[in-house]
Parts: sequence; C-alpha cells; structure tokens
Amino acid sequence: NAGVTQTPKFQVLKTGQSMTLQCAQDMNHEYMSWYRQDPGMGLRLIHYSVGAGITDQGEVPNGYNVSRSTTEDFPLRLLSAAPSQTSVYFCASSNKGTDRFMNTEAFFGQGTRLTVV
Amino acid sequence: GQQVMQIPQYQHVQEGEDFTTYCNSSTTLSNIQWYKQRPGGHPVFLIQLVKSGEVKKQKRLTFQFGEAKKNSSLHITATQTTDVGTYFCAGRLTFGQGTILTVHP
Repeated sequence: NAGVTQTPKFQVLKTGQSMTLQCAQDMNHEYMSWYRQDPGMGLRLIHYSVGAGITDQGEVPNGYNVSRSTTEDFPLRLLSAAPSQTSVYFCASSNKGTDRFMNTEAFFGQGTRLTVV
Repeated sequence: GQQVMQIPQYQHVQEGEDFTTYCNSSTTLSNIQWYKQRPGGHPVFLIQLVKSGEVKKQKRLTFQFGEAKKNSSLHITATQTTDVGTYFCAGRLTFGQGTILTVHP
C-alpha cells in the first residue's frame, strides 16, 4: 500500500517554464489537496478537490491549476514559474467525515522541493 | 474564509520541560486535527478531536478541544529529544502556521 505518491522529489525550473507536479493515492480517498510550505508560513492550501471532476481554490491559488479526472490522481500545474513559487509542495488525501465540514485524517506525500531561478 | 491561528511560532525547551501550543479558529470547527512534522519530513496525523470540551491523551501528549469548538491545545509533558519537530493543528483542510519545537538535551 503506497499511500500518497508525489513526483518529482526535487525540481529546478527557470522563470517562465511550466511543469506539472504529480500526486497519486491508492486509498480511494475522496478528498485531495495541495499545499505549499514556506518558512514561518505553515501549510497553505493551494487547491483542493472533494471528488473526481470537482476542484476548488484554496488560500493561495494564483499561478496554479489543478484537475481531477480520476479519484486517484490530482496533478498540480505551474503555468509560468516565478521565483515566488520556490517552496516545498505537499499533496494530501483524506475522506469526508460525518458532515460536510469535516474530513478524516489526511495522509501526506513525501513532498516536492521546487526551486525557481 | 476560515482561518486557523497557532501560537507560539517557536518554542525552545530543555529536555524534561513541558510544552504547550495553542490553536484558535475564526469559525466554529466540526473537528480539529493535530499533526507532527519531523525536520525534513512530511506531516503525520496525531489525533482528531470532535466533541466540545473533549480531552484525549497519547502517552505524554494531551489534546484539548475548547467548549466553543473554536480553540484547541496540545500539551507535552516532560519533553524528550524525539519530540522535536513542527506541530500543526488543522480544521477541514486549513492548517495553522505550526509551532516549531526545539528540545535541548
């Protein structure tokens, strides 16, 4: 049981380049989300999905796109990389809880360390 | 939208001292979760609190959920070097800024 798998682990991009961070989970979780982690800023929610075909913006969505065509996969696309997007990115998955404002424990991937030069 | 604030941002303790981190939400939460992230690692789930006033213990860790379900705390008794890391609270996909705990032997 792999859990949540993120690729790549490390990436260096030049300003203006585009790329996709991959995230896959094998736990049949409904919820998937992307976070970025910067020093002193905690985990900030970029985009999330509550099921296949449904996505929504989080706290810091600008410069990122997502799609959820299957339950398992939730890729994060950087359209035109900027130095401000240098960060560690985490993908997480969970299930919905007993009400729509609740989710079960989240499982995180190992993270992608992205540097934009 | 929902905001989750966590204090303090940093805490340095001597091994054996106690440690507490506090979490406050701008809205009432259905539940609150706590996670620990070791240096260089990813967040790992510790516990979930659901009921108003709930208190749960895991060995030296005590978690509380406020009566109004808008605040929570994590208390570690007699810290050990293995407790080093960042502790996050979270309410429905929204995480606090985390408290970075350093334990000096």
